[in-house]
Amino acid sequence: AQKITQTQPGMFVQEKEAVTLDCTYDTSDPSYGLFWYKQPSSGEMIFLIYQGSYDQQNATEGRYSLNFQKARKSANLVISASQLGDSAMYFCAMREPSGATNKLIFGTGTLLAVQP
Amino acid sequence: ETGVTQTPRHLVMGMTNKKSLKCEQHLGHNAMYWYKQSAKKPLELMFVYSLEERVENNSVPSRFSPECPNSSHLFLHLHTLQPEDSALYLCASSQGQGSGANVLTFGAGSRLTVL
Repeated sequence: AQKITQTQPGMFVQEKEAVTLDCTYDTSDPSYGLFWYKQPSSGEMIFLIYQGSYDQQNATEGRYSLNFQKARKSANLVISASQLGDSAMYFCAMREPSGATNKLIFGTGTLLAVQP
Repeated sequence: ETGVTQTPRHLVMGMTNKKSLKCEQHLGHNAMYWYKQSAKKPLELMFVYSLEERVENNSVPSRFSPECPNSSHLFLHLHTLQPEDSALYLCASSQGQGSGANVLTFGAGSRLTVL
């Protein structure tokens, strides 16, 4: 069965520094998608970045990049130049194989606190 | 209105009450989802609707009853809930096939407290 593991319940980072949030996954399916979402205290889950299992290059979106190591089954999120507004819960997710829908399974999340 | 809108944002109900959560999406998506987010647990997928048909029901107790009258609206009807049902209920939508970078777009959630 597919599974997502986030081993860091909480992280601190100084403003303007880079931070890496860990995510490992388990699946036997060769085709899968990996996602990172941000959830501020307001509750809304905000999509950050996507990595497909067949993508040759690591995904990047502005200050977000995904360190995809397929052999290790890890998909760590790197946030560069942290800002105070980056303080939030961060969830790693994997898309289960499905046809008509886009079901995601989520990890337990990492709470990131950016300090001034 | 844009994106995915959920109402009410906060709901307190007794165990004998009947209430409903509403979700509306303005993105033209054809799939909608209910997730439950409890403290210190991963998000749990409850229901999936594709083209207004329920395609997934993850062993959710019958006290939760979903309804999808059209592709833009999704409801979660609640009755005789238990205190352990207190959680943040998130609605999401997506466009069709689970492939590529098709993402789930989430609403801000409905925070439910059962007394």
